Amino acid sequence: DIQMTQSPLTLSASVGDRVTITCRASESISGWLAWYQQKAGKAPKVLIYKASTLESGVPSRFSGSGSGTEFTLTISSLQPDDFATYYCLQYYSYPSPWTFGQGTKVEVK
Amino acid sequence: QVTLKESGPALVKPTQTLTLTCTFSGFSLSTTDMRVNWLRQSPGKAPEWLARIDWDDEKFYSTSLKTRLTISKDTSKNQVVLTMTNMDPVDTATYYCARSMVTTLHFDYWGQGILVTVSS
Repeated sequence: DIQMTQSPLTLSASVGDRVTITCRASESISGWLAWYQQKAGKAPKVLIYKASTLESGVPSRFSGSGSGTEFTLTISSLQPDDFATYYCLQYYSYPSPWTFGQGTKVEVK
Repeated sequence: QVTLKESGPALVKPTQTLTLTCTFSGFSLSTTDMRVNWLRQSPGKAPEWLARIDWDDEKFYSTSLKTRLTISKDTSKNQVVLTMTNMDPVDTATYYCARSMVTTLHFDYWGQGILVTVSS
């Protein structure tokens, strides 16, 4: 299985900060990566897919980049609603399994 | 509007079989391109993909759990059923169903999840 490694696992930040989360794949996954936001007690919500495509309705302060084995999620100006846990998902391996990173918790500094 | 909702028991005993149902609306599993997946998330952990069924009835399972899982669909009822045999306390988790499509691949719509506790 392809392993996904996120860093950092915890990030302390303030409203207005620029935040960057990294996800590394154990082998090349081309651009088949998505980013999800999850709040406590809720299902994950997709923010970015195909590494850099913003899901409809997601604020433009979220952006994704990368290809191959290294990817980043950037929040340009952190808002109060953005404190949550973020997961990357690779969906390159066919037909299965698709794997998530361990998650990055963005908390209040 | 696409919605999915999981249903099933909140508590199962060790060694029992878990049966979960995903009831969805806003799309049809008889439409080319559509897929429904099951995932689970143990407390404090990342989600884990379990199984998928496609519009053409192709089925795929997690390598580590494939001997315990069965996925099926009832297109007329807009339902997908997952069974997991020989439940163990380590299987305690929130179970989600989620849609994906051949064209975009990622999980775009998720159900609210159902917490299943395995305990005697």
